[in-house]
Amino acid sequence: DAGVIQSPRHEVTEMGQEVTLRCKPISGHDYLFWYRQTMMRGLELLIYFNNNVPIDDSGMPEDRFSAKMPNASFSTLKIQPSEPRDSAVYFCASSPLGQPPSGNTIYFGEGSWLTVV
Amino acid sequence: GQNIDQPTEMTATEGAIVQINCTYQTSGFNGLFWYQQHAGEAPTFLSYNVLDGLEEKGRFSSFLSRSKGYSYLLLKELQMKDSASYLCAVKDSGYALNFGKGTSLLVTP
Repeated sequence: DAGVIQSPRHEVTEMGQEVTLRCKPISGHDYLFWYRQTMMRGLELLIYFNNNVPIDDSGMPEDRFSAKMPNASFSTLKIQPSEPRDSAVYFCASSPLGQPPSGNTIYFGEGSWLTVV
Repeated sequence: GQNIDQPTEMTATEGAIVQINCTYQTSGFNGLFWYQQHAGEAPTFLSYNVLDGLEEKGRFSSFLSRSKGYSYLLLKELQMKDSASYLCAVKDSGYALNFGKGTSLLVTP
């Protein structure tokens, strides 16, 4: 089975530009997560969805960030306008619904490495 | 909110045993996870504890004490490929995992 697929893998953009990160979760998984990882702050939860509905977006840093999940197989994380402090690795992850351990295990994509200059 | 603490760095010798500790404070608890992350790669699942005690899986074991808010990951017979970051994560009353900042383990010859 294919894992979580993210694109682009690497992006370098100028401050002020719009950035769109894309994610295809593992088929059949009910939960989708967006995390951000930096050296200073580690791995932080931004938002997660259950059955395409946003459940908790308290980790979204500010209004410049938005996330959508129009269907069960696709999600986007958008930053507009981007700033240098947004430079990080953005991970998408998914998880099936069920009992532990498989029901709670989160599977990560390879990440999108974003650099804003 | 949650507070998850683990050492920033550790060094150990190939063939030895190393224990990586994690302490946490959380408003709810539905399990503790350990993930491994090699440089430049995605985190991958290692272990899960929801009840007190030791869970063993090959060279890796994980321990949990809920009353103490404490867990450790034990790695035996260390290999060079075990050099990686080890992330402790807690699931509270929600469904997402909240991660510590990770422990960078360096295995030396």
